[in-house]
Amino acid sequence: AQKITQTQPGMFVQEKEAVTLDCTYDTSDQSYGLFWYKQPSSGEMIFLIYQGSYDEQNATEGRYSLNFQKARKSANLVISASQLGDSAMYFCAMILNTGNQFYFGTGTSLTVIP
Amino acid sequence: EPEVTQTPSHQVTQMGQEVILRCVPISNHLYFYWYRQILGQKVEFLVSFYNNEISEKSEIFDDQFSVERPDGSNFTLKIRSTKLEDSAMYFCASSETRTGTYEQYFGPGTRLTVT
Repeated sequence: AQKITQTQPGMFVQEKEAVTLDCTYDTSDQSYGLFWYKQPSSGEMIFLIYQGSYDEQNATEGRYSLNFQKARKSANLVISASQLGDSAMYFCAMILNTGNQFYFGTGTSLTVIP
Repeated sequence: EPEVTQTPSHQVTQMGQEVILRCVPISNHLYFYWYRQILGQKVEFLVSFYNNEISEKSEIFDDQFSVERPDGSNFTLKIRSTKLEDSAMYFCASSETRTGTYEQYFGPGTRLTVT
């Protein structure tokens, strides 16, 4: 069975500092995609970043980067230069290339402190 | 920028009533999904839909649930006889293809409250 684990229920970071949100996954499939979504208090799901299992380079999107370590099955999200607007829930998700449903983690609540 | 829309944003219904949640996916997308998120919990997959039929569904998606694409733009989730435990945020999503290389675009969600 596919599984996503986010071990940090809550994180705090000082404004302008970098923060790493952990995500590990479990699958026997070789081909899959890893995603991070942000969910602010308003409830919508906002796509942040994607990493394919065959991508050799770590994905980056502006202040977001994904630290992909395939052998360890981890896909940690790094947010650089945190801003107050980054305070939200962050979900790691996986989709297999053989299926089309997302498997979500339980999320990490990030609070940015001024 | 194209987006997925959902109506209503909040629905309150009595236990045992039928509800229909509506979604308009992005126009050139071919795959459609429903997810739910019980308050404070993770997002759970319900069902995926392609070519006018269900392509995948989870164990949550029992006979109480059905999906339909009644016309070229809407995608609906019907809950026939709501239960208290159906109270959740329901997200619709769509994607261009079914492979893992394309993101699923999520709508803003419908908050369903069953009393």
